[in-house]
Amino acid sequence: GAVVSQHPSRVICKSGTSVKIECRSLDFQATTMFWYRQFPKQSLMLMATSNEGSKATYEQGVEKDKFLINHASLTLSTLTVTSAHPEDSSFYICSARGGLMTYEQYFGPGTRLTVT
Amino acid sequence: QKEVEQDPGPLSVPEGAIVSLNCTYSNSAFQYFMWYRQYSRKGPELLMYTYSSGNKEDGRFTAQVDKSSKYISLFIRDSQPSDSATYLCAMRISNTGKLIFGQGTTLQVKP
Repeated sequence: GAVVSQHPSRVICKSGTSVKIECRSLDFQATTMFWYRQFPKQSLMLMATSNEGSKATYEQGVEKDKFLINHASLTLSTLTVTSAHPEDSSFYICSARGGLMTYEQYFGPGTRLTVT
Repeated sequence: QKEVEQDPGPLSVPEGAIVSLNCTYSNSAFQYFMWYRQYSRKGPELLMYTYSSGNKEDGRFTAQVDKSSKYISLFIRDSQPSDSATYLCAMRISNTGKLIFGQGTTLQVKP
């Protein structure tokens, strides 16, 4: 149980285009989803937290107009990287948590974004 | 100063060795401590979860928390080549709070 999927697993796009990454909880309802970014040989850095049906809360230094997050249902959250640039190339990982008393986060397999 | 410090390694050991992985932290408010294992190009998976100080054992893995020293450890006994991965410590203040990760230690277990 507690499986989280991400799609696509890897994507290459040209500079200036937008990319959408999906995060799905497959066997539980995720009231909260998290989006992380991980650069090579570095740790996971939280970008934003989203609760179903409400606006995402972004961490300091993360541009909310560049990284659009939508958490429209209890099983799906999307991250859209708008006007992507090469410096946005990274490994994006989502995690999901279900219910107020369920504290554990379950991580997706990640999406490798390369902007050329 | 980072909130959580972890030596990135790499750490290379022979099969069967006991591995010790460590993290230090600066925020005394952290109460919940976790260890994740991350294989290359995959998402992290939870290995161990501990609350407050003390030891917790699960099979070949033992997690230790020393809150007085702000120091946590993960021990792996009888290490196997399949244990080769990056190990991330993580911690948070409250049960539902933000996870703060260490940089991760890359471990290689040689057959």
